Amino acid sequence: DADVTQTPRNRITKTGKRIMLECSQTKGHDRMYWYRQDPGLGLRLIYYSFDVKDINKGEISDGYSVSRQAQAKFSLSLESAIPNQTALYFCATSDSGGESNQPQHFGDGTRLSIL
Amino acid sequence: GQQLNQSPQSMFIQEGEDVSMNCTSSSIFNTWLWYKQEPGEGPVLLIALYKAGELTSNGRLTAQFGITRKDSFLNISASIPSDVGIYFCAGNRNAGNNRKLIWGLGTSLAVNP
Repeated sequence: DADVTQTPRNRITKTGKRIMLECSQTKGHDRMYWYRQDPGLGLRLIYYSFDVKDINKGEISDGYSVSRQAQAKFSLSLESAIPNQTALYFCATSDSGGESNQPQHFGDGTRLSIL
Repeated sequence: GQQLNQSPQSMFIQEGEDVSMNCTSSSIFNTWLWYKQEPGEGPVLLIALYKAGELTSNGRLTAQFGITRKDSFLNISASIPSDVGIYFCAGNRNAGNNRKLIWGLGTSLAVNP
C-alpha cells in the first residue's frame, strides 16, 4: 500500500548494533502495527498501538521496542541486534471506526539481515 | 501463538484452472480476511467478510465466511499467471477490536502459463 511507507527497504548490519525501522502513513488511521515474517512461520505481531499514547506488546516483543511519535509515525527499534532477528518486517495500519473489525493495510516491508 | 489452519500449503496449477483454499479454526471468528502477497511487497487485502454465511466476490475471486464461523474459503476462477503469490487468511475473534488478528501460514500459488 503506497500510503504506508517503510524505511529503509533493506538493511544489513552487524550483531550488537542499534537499528531503527521507520513507518509513516497517510491513511489517517489510528492504529499501527509491527510484524515480522519468517519463512514457514507466517506473520507474527511484535507491537501495536491504537493511538499516540497507546503501546501494546504483541506475541514476540522481546528484543524490540517501539515509539509512536505521532498518529502517522510508528518506529520499531532493535536495541542490540542479534542474528535471529534477521527477517522481513512489516508495518500495518487500520482504522478504528465502526463496529466491524477494520482490515489492516501493509507497507512493502523492510528486509533486515544481521550478520 | 494461535494460528489458523490454512490449506493447502502450496499449489501448482495450469493457467485457466480454478483454485480453492481454506482456513479453519477451533474457535469462532467474527471477521475473516483474505490477503495476497507478491514477492517484494506487503500483503494486500483481497476480501473482508463480516457475517456468517457471507459470500463476497472481487473479480475472479470469491470468499465465504463459514456458517459455523470457524472456517472460510477462497476460490479463484480461471487462474492467470499474475495470480502467483502467497495467499493468507486472517481472522479476528473480538468484534470492534482487531488487536487479536490471527494469521494462517499462507498458501503459495504457482501458475504454469
